[in-house]
Amino acid sequence: AQSVTQLGSHVSVSEGALVLLRCNYSSSVPPYLFWYVQYPNQGLQLLLKYTSAATLVKGINGFEAEFKKSETSFHLTKPSAHMSDAAEYFCAVGNTGRRALTFGSGTRLQVQP
Amino acid sequence: DVKVTQSSRYLVKRTGEKVFLECVQDMDHENMFWYRQDPGLGLRLIYFSYDVKMKEKGDIPEGYSVSREKKERFSLILESASTNQTSMYLCASSRSFGIDLNTIYFGEGSWLTVV
Repeated sequence: AQSVTQLGSHVSVSEGALVLLRCNYSSSVPPYLFWYVQYPNQGLQLLLKYTSAATLVKGINGFEAEFKKSETSFHLTKPSAHMSDAAEYFCAVGNTGRRALTFGSGTRLQVQP
Repeated sequence: DVKVTQSSRYLVKRTGEKVFLECVQDMDHENMFWYRQDPGLGLRLIYFSYDVKMKEKGDIPEGYSVSREKKERFSLILESASTNQTSMYLCASSRSFGIDLNTIYFGEGSWLTVV
């Protein structure tokens, strides 16, 4: 069984501030972990993925995430928020024995000028 | 780039109508998926298919069926639409082997309103 919990359905930051979106997972086998981003009225785009190589994963648009097995976490960060980062972000978990991903409930990021 | 195309972006249907949502992918992916997205609930898996004519139920299959007659095409069918099926429907696809097994590519979504 696998599941994902995203803490905070809405996060608001000022432009230039640190972005931190939290994700905790549960998986009975070694997980693959993903962050996807959804801009208004669009589908989901892959931001980054962890597949058991380096624990610090760099993605597109300056985002990165760190896999911490001891904390079962995969938090997404960006040092300096841009207005264009305003979107909904989804954390997801998968594994080699399952074709489909399990998604969290999403976090909507607002960036204030 | 992977292209997943959903034929209808916005649909309005009446209660009791039969509804077809069509999805086509151009990357020869074995796996195709239908998810439903609702505020506060994230994405929930309705059905997926791992080969032509093969399908498996996801977490919320009730009220839905699917069809995969060709590898590139995966259809979601609402046999008798109800107002609680008003939602955003997302089609997705992925490869069937290796690390890419779990990297899923999404279409732009179909907004369905049932009145």
